[in-house]
Amino acid sequence: SQTIHQWPATLVQPVGSPLSLECTVEGTSNPNLYWYRQAAGRGLQLLFYSVGIGQISSEVPQNLSASRPQDRQFILSSKKLLLSDSGFYLCAWGRFGPNSPLHFGNGTRLTVT
Amino acid sequence: GESVGLHLPTLSVQEGDNSIINCAYSNSASDYFIWYKQESGKGPQFIIDIRSNMDKRQGQRVTVLLNKTVKHLSLQIAATQPGDSAVYFCAENTSGTYKYIFGTGTRLKVLA
Repeated sequence: SQTIHQWPATLVQPVGSPLSLECTVEGTSNPNLYWYRQAAGRGLQLLFYSVGIGQISSEVPQNLSASRPQDRQFILSSKKLLLSDSGFYLCAWGRFGPNSPLHFGNGTRLTVT
Repeated sequence: GESVGLHLPTLSVQEGDNSIINCAYSNSASDYFIWYKQESGKGPQFIIDIRSNMDKRQGQRVTVLLNKTVKHLSLQIAATQPGDSAVYFCAENTSGTYKYIFGTGTRLKVLA
């Protein structure tokens, strides 16, 4: 069966510090990978998605970047965090093709102080 | 854990009753729909999905109804249990695209 791992679960970082959140998927190959941010009382905001190694599509211009160095690894980064980067970050994977749900990790709660 | 849905609409249901959670979707081109359950501090968990060529689909204690005419989706939970307490999201997708659009969610509270 497929599993998705996301870490760390919680993170407190000062403004201006770098960020690296990692997500890995097991049990499948060539998944579509996604980073979402969730704000309280709001839906999930798509940040990045990737359909293959080195292929990143950005949905929202901002202080974050994503990379996919391996087939089942997706990394969310920032060189300098802003207070507004605080939030709940979710990684998800999906199969290529129609009518396929996304499967989510358990998220990272990021607090920028 | 994550304080998801501080200002979300809330549905309060007595334990053992049936719950109906509604969702209005936005894109007429959407042809695939998903319901997720999110517990505090966790990521959304897949519950059930439905394609646009169907009006109804049933799972274990859950049923999803799709009304394409009014772009409305509902999730029915039979014999609601305390463990059903969570935030529920709908999501929509159009075949051939990689993007999924998520609703803001409804908080379900099960009263003992």
